[in-house]
Amino acid sequence: AQKITQTQPGMFVQEKEAVTLDCTYDTSDPSYGLFWYKQPSSGEMIFLIYQGSYDQQNATEGRYSLNFQKARKSANLVISASQLGDSAMYFCAMRGGNTGGFKTIFGAGTRLFVKA
Amino acid sequence: DAMVIQNPRYQVTQFGKPVTLSCSQTLNHNVMYWYQQKSSQAPKLLFHYYDKDFNNEADTPDNFQSRRPNTSFCFLDIRSPGLGDAAMYLCATSSAYQETQYFGPGTRLLVL
Repeated sequence: AQKITQTQPGMFVQEKEAVTLDCTYDTSDPSYGLFWYKQPSSGEMIFLIYQGSYDQQNATEGRYSLNFQKARKSANLVISASQLGDSAMYFCAMRGGNTGGFKTIFGAGTRLFVKA
Repeated sequence: DAMVIQNPRYQVTQFGKPVTLSCSQTLNHNVMYWYQQKSSQAPKLLFHYYDKDFNNEADTPDNFQSRRPNTSFCFLDIRSPGLGDAAMYLCATSSAYQETQYFGPGTRLLVL
């Protein structure tokens, strides 16, 4: 069965510093996609970054980068130069594979607090 | 801008009174999803449509139904809402050929 684990219920970071949010996953499928979403208090899920299982390089999108370590089955999100507006819930998610198909499963989430 | 729209943003219903939540998209994606998210929890997939093909998750209660009359619209029907159905309901879309799902702003359902 596919599974996503986020072990940090909450994280604090000082404004302008970098922060890493942890995510590990479990799947027996060779083909899958990994995502990070941001959910502010308004409730909307905002797509941040995507990493395919066959991608050779780590994904980057502006201040977001995904530290993909396939052998360790980890897909940590790194946010550089944190801003107050980064305070939100962050979800790691996985989709795809022979068993997963279109289904996306989410981790429990990490709430990030950015301090001024 | 292409987007996923959900109406209404907030819905109050009475215990047992049927309610319908609406989702529309301008992305022309062929896959549409409905998620339920309870407070401080991860979103949970209820079902999805791939074009007209309906795919129900095994643990989705029969109380939840869905309709997709065309590519752009998808509805979530809760036939007899219970207090435990109070949650945020998120609609998402994706292309069959791309991995990423794009979410609407959600509908917060309150059951009195």
